[in-house]
Order: sequence, then structure tokens, then C-alpha cells
Amino acid sequence: GAVVSQHPSWVICKSGTSVKIECRSLDFQATTMFWYRQFPKQSLMLMATSNEGSKATYEQGVEKDKFLINHASLTLSTLTVTSAHPEDSSFYICSARPQPGVDSPLHFGNGTRLTVT
Amino acid sequence: EDQVTQSPEALRLQEGESSSLNCSYTVSGLRGLFWYRQDPGKGPEFLFTLYSAGEEKEKERLKATLTKKESFLHITAPKPEDSATYLCAVHRGQKVTFGIGTKLQVIP
Repeated sequence: GAVVSQHPSWVICKSGTSVKIECRSLDFQATTMFWYRQFPKQSLMLMATSNEGSKATYEQGVEKDKFLINHASLTLSTLTVTSAHPEDSSFYICSARPQPGVDSPLHFGNGTRLTVT
Repeated sequence: EDQVTQSPEALRLQEGESSSLNCSYTVSGLRGLFWYRQDPGKGPEFLFTLYSAGEEKEKERLKATLTKKESFLHITAPKPEDSATYLCAVHRGQKVTFGIGTKLQVIP
């Protein structure tokens, strides 16, 4: 089946530093990728939609200057958490649709657990 | 605003004890209802897509059904390896709304 690979699976960083998370589609091309954030006992919350070759679309309340998204190729999107603070600690998950059409299922990476100390 | 409500939040079953998980939704123009399984510390894994009321899908011990207002995920004779959080999501265009999930624990 279609595979979405996310790296790293976990990262610990100090407050004020930046962290980059990579999301790759391994066996399909993804013009669009989605970045989610998940807090314990809460639903997945869409942060932004990453579009290959163009600017990302951010959901209301998500700071675009803090969460930088780059989608430079059809198989790679990156999320950079800039000047991280402890409140940015969370589980970040990327996803993409291997099949065309907005009605097709999402395939997810295995997530990145970010801890900011 | 699209809403997805899952119940119960947690469910503990003995191995072999069948049960059902519920997903109630409010969305105009449903384009699909999706079930995902999420293991601790992992991303969700796609299970089923249901597009219209009356539709059913099966996979091993799992069967998903859909009505105009809710979906059920039936688990028949579950095994410990079925322990996970099961997420329901509705698609409306590009927008996907997830429920908070049902955490299932199957005890040997």
C-alpha cells in the first residue's frame, strides 16, 4: 500500500531553537500534503495544507511564521517549528492522498513527537 | 459547522466479547465517512470508506456500517491485537473533520 514516511519520529529540543520535520511520499507523488497536530484525548487538528510549488494554506489560528511549511518536490514536504516553546510540544502528523480526488482516504505518516524543554 | 462525535471514549472488552463503536456526525454534503485505526505513538491507519447510507464494509473482525446520521464499527470476537484507538472522520470537499476516537482495550 501507499506509504508516507515521516522523520524524525521523536525530537527533544531546547526552548528558542528550531526543529524541522520531514514528510515523504515513498511510492506516489503528492501535490498536496496535510499537517496535523494531536494533543492527548483530542482529535486530529489540521494545521495547514502544503501545496507543491506554492504557498501553504494555514488554518485559522495557526501562526504561519512559527510553523514554516515547504513543499519543494512532489514527494517531500517539511514543517519547521521556529523558536520553539514548551507549548509547541505535541504530536505532529503529516498525511497525503495516494489516490486522486478529495473523497479518497488519507494516508498518514507515523508522526513526530516534539518535546520542547 | 461539521461535527463528529464518537462514543464511548473508552471501551474495555474481554477477548471474544463482541461490541460496537459509534460515530455520530453532522455535516452537509457528506462526501465520505472514514474509519482509521491509531496505535499509540503512531499515525492513523486507514480502515474503511463509506459513501452512502446502507453501505457496509468488512475487514477481518471489523465491519463498518453507515446511516444518514451515524456509523458503527462492529468488532466481532476481538483479539488483544485489536487494541487501539479507532477514529472516525468525515470528508466534505477538502475539509476533513475527525472525532476524538474510541480507545479500545481487549483483555486476554
